[in-house]
Order: sequence, then C-alpha cells, then structure tokens
Amino acid sequence: GQNIDQPTEMTATEGAIVQINCTYQTSGFNGLFWYQQHAGEAPTFLSYNVLDGLEEKGRFSSFLSRSKGYSYLLLKELQMKDSASYLCAVVDSNYQLIWGAGTKLIIKP
Amino acid sequence: IAGITQAPTSQILAAGRRMTLRCTQDMRHNAMYWYRQDLGLGLRLIHYSNTAGTTGKGEVPDGYSVSRANTDDFPLTLASAVPSQTSVYFCASSESGTDTQYFGPGTRLTVL
Repeated sequence: GQNIDQPTEMTATEGAIVQINCTYQTSGFNGLFWYQQHAGEAPTFLSYNVLDGLEEKGRFSSFLSRSKGYSYLLLKELQMKDSASYLCAVVDSNYQLIWGAGTKLIIKP
Repeated sequence: IAGITQAPTSQILAAGRRMTLRCTQDMRHNAMYWYRQDLGLGLRLIHYSNTAGTTGKGEVPDGYSVSRANTDDFPLTLASAVPSQTSVYFCASSESGTDTQYFGPGTRLTVL
C-alpha cells in the first residue's frame, strides 16, 4: 500500500527554526508537495520538489531525497502566524496526490 | 469570482437526504478534484476530473457522484447521505494532473 508518514504534532518557539519530516512509500514518484493549512481554512501551496536537493523560498525551504523516500520542510525565524498544519503530498505513478495526515505546528512565544 | 468557490459553506443534513455540493473555478484549469478531510486523517480523494467531460474515481468514491459538464463547474452529489459522510469537503483545481492544486474554502457537512 501507499503510505506517507509525518509527525502528528510539533512545538517550537517564536524566532526559532523547526524541521518537519515526511517519509513516503508510494507506487512511483512524480514529485512532492508541501502545503500549509491554518485551522478552519483550505490548504495553500508552499513548495514542490521533484529533484533531489534543497529548494529555498524565503523563510521556508524544502528538501528531497528520492533514494531515501524522505523530505523535510524547514521553517526559519518562526512567527506566530506559522502556527498551522503542514501537509506533505506525493504524486504517485498514476499522477494522483497521496496525502499525509499533516503535522500540527504549535508556536509558543 | 476569483479562484475557486464552494457552496454552501456549511450544511446540516438529515440522513437519507440528497445533497449537492457546488464547486466553481474561474482559472480555466483542466483538472478538478473533490476531497474529504476528517480529523487525524489526510485529505482523501473522492472523485476527480482531468478535463471537461471526463471523471474518475478516487480513494473513497462510494456514496458520491460527480459530473463535469464544462470546465468551470464540478458538483459533488451525495445520493442518500449517511452519518459517516460527515466531514469537511474541499474542491481543488489544477492546470493538469501533476500541477499545483488550488483549493476552495471548503464545505462543512454534518449528517445526522
């Protein structure tokens, strides 16, 4: 079966750095997405990786290792507004998105 | 309209009733999707459409049907609602099947 694993919940301090990990076992791989979802709202796109390595976009960076079936989202200079759930999703061999259950990130002052 | 809209925002429905959730996008995206999101579970794909006139089944299609008569609209119908269909439903669209998906604001459905 297809499986995406993320920690259920993480806590970090305002101004700090946090890394949210995602491991996947899917039938094929055609890219990996990270989305942010604030409570009661829709998911919004953060990043997309299809090749190995680090993609940096402002305070957020996403890393991919296809050989390890592993990705992480790195958030720097945490702000209170970063409190949200972060969803990892993999495009499988049928070009469908397989979603992880998400990681709830709690930011404390 | 800017982006993707859903209606209604929320609904309480008696079991056994028929319900259609509406979804409209103005981005001229080819692909559209319906997901349900339940606490502790990831987004689960119900049905999708890669282009107007075609639809496909996702991970959890039972009890739901869709149609795609044109590019903009992708309604989801529950023929006879059951309490297990209580969930938040998100519609999404993308230019093609592998592109970034953009989500509507969601419909919170409660079936009693």
